[in-house]
Amino acid sequence: AQTVTQSQPEMSVQEAETVTLSCTYDTSESDYYLFWYKQPPSRQMILVIRQEAYKQQNATENRFSVNFQKAAKSFSLKISDSQLGDAAMYFCAYKARYSGGGADGLTFGKGTHLIIQP
Amino acid sequence: DTEVTQTPKHLVMGMTNKKSLKCEQHMGHRAMYWYKQKAKKPPELMFVYSYEKLSINESVPSRFSPECPNSSLLNLHLHALQPEDSALYLCASSQVPWGSTLPLHFGNGTRLTVT
Repeated sequence: AQTVTQSQPEMSVQEAETVTLSCTYDTSESDYYLFWYKQPPSRQMILVIRQEAYKQQNATENRFSVNFQKAAKSFSLKISDSQLGDAAMYFCAYKARYSGGGADGLTFGKGTHLIIQP
Repeated sequence: DTEVTQTPKHLVMGMTNKKSLKCEQHMGHRAMYWYKQKAKKPPELMFVYSYEKLSINESVPSRFSPECPNSSLLNLHLHALQPEDSALYLCASSQVPWGSTLPLHFGNGTRLTVT
């Protein structure tokens, strides 16, 4: 069974600084997706960034980028120029591409609470 | 704005009550999901419907009864709940199988309190 580990329960960063959230995972699959979701106090789970395992290039979305190390099974999220609106719980998640007949749930890590200091 | 709409936003119910949570999406997704989330914890998968058929039930107690009347609607019927069932209930939808677009669309959730 696959597992996702986020070893940082809480992180704090000064506004405008850069912060990196770590995530490791364990799987026997070779083709899968990895995601970072953000959940602010408004409760909605918002997709921040996604990575497909067969793509070697690291995904980027504006101030958000990942460092995907497939051999090490590591998938960290870097947030540049942190803003107050980035404060939220961040969940790393995994899904095998072909599991569950195409419709099954994500495997989530336990989450990292990100605090932005003004 | 979310494209997955959940109602109600908040619900308080007694242990003898019967209530229902509702979820609606109009993105043409054919998979819909119920998740349960406790405070400061990740979402836990409860049920998955694929093409309106229940495809995954993660050993959820029978006091939770899902229903998918059509491809746009998903209900969760609640009966004889316990205080420990108090949580945020999230609905989500996706294509089947997952394509190159956004994988899971989540709603804003229903905050359930059982007294």
